Amino acid sequence: EAGVAQSPRYKIIEKRQSVAFWCNPISGHATLYWYQQILGQGPKLLIQFQNNGVVDDSQLPKDRFSAERLKGVDSTLKIQPAKLEDSAVYLCASSLLANTGELFFGEGSRLTVL
Amino acid sequence: AQKVTQAQTEISVVEKEDVTLDCVYETRDTTYYLFWYKQPPSGELVFLIRRNSFDEQNEISGRYSWNFQKSTSSFNFTITASQVVDSAVYFCALRRSSYKLIFGSGTRLLVRP
Repeated sequence: EAGVAQSPRYKIIEKRQSVAFWCNPISGHATLYWYQQILGQGPKLLIQFQNNGVVDDSQLPKDRFSAERLKGVDSTLKIQPAKLEDSAVYLCASSLLANTGELFFGEGSRLTVL
Repeated sequence: AQKVTQAQTEISVVEKEDVTLDCVYETRDTTYYLFWYKQPPSGELVFLIRRNSFDEQNEISGRYSWNFQKSTSSFNFTITASQVVDSAVYFCALRRSSYKLIFGSGTRLLVRP
């Protein structure tokens, strides 16, 4: 069974530029998550989708971050314009069950903002 | 409020030593789930265990064991006879039913040969 796929693995941009990350979850997993992991910290949830609807985006900085999950499968996370403090690893995860199931994570996309 | 505390930032042991990673959580809910994840240098978080709040039985899986104590709000993780491949960052996490997974800050484990 293929795991969660993410791209790109690494991205370096200058502040005020834009960037987009892509995620393809495990086949059949209805729930998809985007987490931000700043160096030395635990992952923090940015947004959770159930199929193509948003369940929780309370910690998503909506003035600069956006995410979509068209057709309830793959997802894109966009940052525009980027700030220095957005430097982090962006992890995508999926789960079969929204409430009790374990999350399966991709390898992440490491963003460096200069 | 929900919170997960992993007070040990970094632990260094010599191969074959036993090591325990501490996790203390806070929640007012009676139904919740606790998790441990491993994050090797590759970056991918690997699921290790899930425990629901009604099941306080300790669990053993090979060299790994988990001790869940509701009385002290702790869910500690022990690796017996550690190996170099166990070197990673380990995260404890808490989840209410239908809600987001909240992670602790992680414990970096270094196992030296």
